[in-house]
Parts: sequence; C-alpha cells; structure tokens
Amino acid sequence: EAQVTQNPRYLITVTGKKLTVTCSQNMNHEYMSWYRQDPGLGLRQIYYSMNVEVTDKGDVPEGYKVSRKEKRNFPLILESPSPNQTSLYFCASSLQGAWYFGPGTRLTVT
Amino acid sequence: GIQVEQSPPDLILQEGANSTLRCNFSDSVNNLQWFHQNPWGQLINLFYIPSGTKQNGRLSATTVATERYSLLYISSSQTTDSGVYFCAVGLYNNNDMRFGAGTRLTVKP
Repeated sequence: EAQVTQNPRYLITVTGKKLTVTCSQNMNHEYMSWYRQDPGLGLRQIYYSMNVEVTDKGDVPEGYKVSRKEKRNFPLILESPSPNQTSLYFCASSLQGAWYFGPGTRLTVT
Repeated sequence: GIQVEQSPPDLILQEGANSTLRCNFSDSVNNLQWFHQNPWGQLINLFYIPSGTKQNGRLSATTVATERYSLLYISSSQTTDSGVYFCAVGLYNNNDMRFGAGTRLTVKP
C-alpha cells in the first residue's frame, strides 16, 4: 500500500531535549516536505527536499533541521525543542503531482 | 507567493443537505488538491484537480484554472463529512504548496 508514515504519532517532551520525528514514504517520490499546523495559522511549510541531499527552508524553518540521505526518508530534527514548537506536524511527499500526507505527529513541549 | 482564499470559513448543515465550498487562488498553478481533515487530525486526499471536473461518490470538484478558482461539492451530507476542508495549490517545479485557511463543516443529525 502506497503511504507516508510518521513516528511517533504522539510525543510529550521537555524543553531542550533533542528529538527526531521520522518520515518515510514507499512511493519513490522525489519531493518531500514538512508542515506544522497551528490554530489560526493553518499549515505552514518548515522544510522541503527536492531529492536526495537537496533540502531547503520553507516558511518557518527556525529551530528545525532536516536531512535527506535516502530517497524514502526525511527526518525532522528538533535540536533544542521549545514550547512554541508544540504543534501538529505533517510529513508529505510528491512526484510532480498530487501530494500525500502522513498521519501527523502531535508534539507537546513543556 | 500564491494567496489562497477559501469560503465560507464555517458551514453548518443538516444531514442530507448539499453544499458548495469555494477556493480562490491568486496565480496560475499546476497543482490543486482538496483535503478533508477529520476530527482525529488526519489529512485525507479528496481530489487532485489542477483543472477540469472529477467525481467520487457524493463528492465532486471542479477547477477553472483560467479563472483561478475551484469548487468542492458535497451532496447528501452525512455526519461523517464533518471536519475541515482544505484547498492547497502549488507549482510542482518549485515545491511551493500553499494551503487555504480551510472551511469548517459541521453536519448535524
């Protein structure tokens, strides 16, 4: 089954404790992207990748890092999480067409 | 960047009613999708429709690219249709996918 998977689905952590949210797709898509969704602000792009080893900033990249060492994986790294990074995070992938979204990761930073 | 406006922002319907959701966008696009975000937060692909008309059961969508708008039709609405409907547009050669603010639909039994 074609899908985008994210882990973990839910995470509660404390300020400053490094964390990684994994994202994987099995559709051989070139494009991958991370979004965050916040009440009143909608979905905003954090980072995107057009292919392996090619990444670029989206609208709200501060406080996040990404890497794209393999085509299928696009992890989101929070080196020192802060409470303002509490949000619902979505990973997505595309092959010059429709975008497919993962199930979301609900992150709470206390 | 591309601006995306959705209307109405909120919509309350009685079960069985029909509705039309609108998405206006400010520039030419190669990609337009409609999503349904269910109460559990998942984004469900409804239509990939950069132009033309598509139908899937009780849902259909039409995009008039030259006039920069898309419409999502929901017929015979059910309580399970409740949630937020998003329109997203973009250019596939620059990866700039922009979401509208969404239409929150509530279907009452």
